[in-house]
Amino acid sequence: DQQVKQNSPSLSVQEGRISILNCDYTNSMFDYFLWYKKYPAEGPTFLISISSIKDKNEDGRFTVFLNKSAKHLSLHIVPSQPGDSAVYFCAASANTDKLIFGTGTRLQVFP
Amino acid sequence: DTEVTQTPKHLVMGMTNKKSLKCEQHMGHRAMYWYKQKAKKPPELMFVYSYEKLSINESVPSRFSPECPNSSLLNLHLHALQPEDSALYLCASSQYRGNSPLHFGNGTRLTVT
Repeated sequence: DQQVKQNSPSLSVQEGRISILNCDYTNSMFDYFLWYKKYPAEGPTFLISISSIKDKNEDGRFTVFLNKSAKHLSLHIVPSQPGDSAVYFCAASANTDKLIFGTGTRLQVFP
Repeated sequence: DTEVTQTPKHLVMGMTNKKSLKCEQHMGHRAMYWYKQKAKKPPELMFVYSYEKLSINESVPSRFSPECPNSSLLNLHLHALQPEDSALYLCASSQYRGNSPLHFGNGTRLTVT
């Protein structure tokens, strides 16, 4: 049972435009959400997180939005850059050590 | 550069071999993790250590044996593995248990022949 889902396996965006990556979850006990970026042959790199008491968190070009009623979060990257091309994982936890990852979305930013 | 260092980067072992994966962090983090990632799949939790004590074992087969010698080091001892255990093994650390971001190493690519 996949508790964290990323329904778009891939996304292609032009450089300078906005990239929007989406993530849905089913477990209402999740209270902490994160986004990771992964390049080939490297481990996931932490990008940004959000607690369930907030609905938005911003860090530079990256903004995460949380809609608890819809059990949905999204990552906005603006402006997108070619170096952002990677696989993006959302992850969630219920105040435990156990981080549940989504299946990932491959983002390609083209010139 | 990652602040979590994993060695070796690549490992090929036979089903009768014994080998160990090593992980080191010097960020003062008190929780350390082993994850396993198969191709085109998300990372899956194997073990969690908190303050050098095993706090979570996700029903991992006994051919995988974790060890936390001190707060900076985490090992994963491998014995009698199966070809289906071939995967990327990721180590991570976090400042504390609970809602704290995990910082991952670059992983060990393990191939079991």
